[in-house]
Amino acid sequence: GEDVEQSLFLSVREGDSSVINCTYTDSSSTYLYWYKQEPGAGLQLLTYIFSNMDMKQDQRLTVLLNKKDKHLSLRIADTQTGDSAIYFCAESIRGYNFNKFYFGSGTKLNVKP
Amino acid sequence: DGGITQSPKYLFRKEGQNVTLSCEQNLNHDAMYWYRQDPGQGLRLIYYSQIVNDFQKGDIAEGYSVSREKKESFPLTVTSAQKNPTAFYLCASSPHRVRKNRARFLDQETQYFGPGTRLLVL
Repeated sequence: GEDVEQSLFLSVREGDSSVINCTYTDSSSTYLYWYKQEPGAGLQLLTYIFSNMDMKQDQRLTVLLNKKDKHLSLRIADTQTGDSAIYFCAESIRGYNFNKFYFGSGTKLNVKP
Repeated sequence: DGGITQSPKYLFRKEGQNVTLSCEQNLNHDAMYWYRQDPGQGLRLIYYSQIVNDFQKGDIAEGYSVSREKKESFPLTVTSAQKNPTAFYLCASSPHRVRKNRARFLDQETQYFGPGTRLLVL
């Protein structure tokens, strides 16, 4: 099966940058995603990157993809207390007629004032 | 407002009881999914449906059942055979099951999630 791995916790101070890392094992992924989950809520799509891209920037979010090392990262600039949540990376693997998602176990980001 | 709704927010199950979790979407999405989330773990796929009247088992289907009689609805039943049902259940949907052209590829496969139902055993 597919393995998507993330560290479990990250703690930063408000105003600093946060970098959340993710590694995956299947090189046939099509898209890679970052989702945010606040306590007791569903997953909110934050951003994504197509597998043939190296970088994508979207306001305070920067996604970096190193396909050779199968490493994905999410950088949040000027981290705010409202960014405290669990962040999941996910990859989409193309099947015959179904694209299956594999999720990491999530990184809990704690932003200290 | 378009979106995915799940009900109830909290659900309590007694021993030997079947319970049904509701998932409704008004996004006109073809595909729908059920995931289970346990603390400290990623999401695990229970069942998915790519089209009305068709559904497939995911990685942990034992003890669960689904139906897809309408495009907008994909209810999940947690049966008494599921011995460890306490978890957070997430429903998701995506627009299309088959990619048609490169320009629409992302729209077709991205999964959008509902707010979740927390199931607890009494």
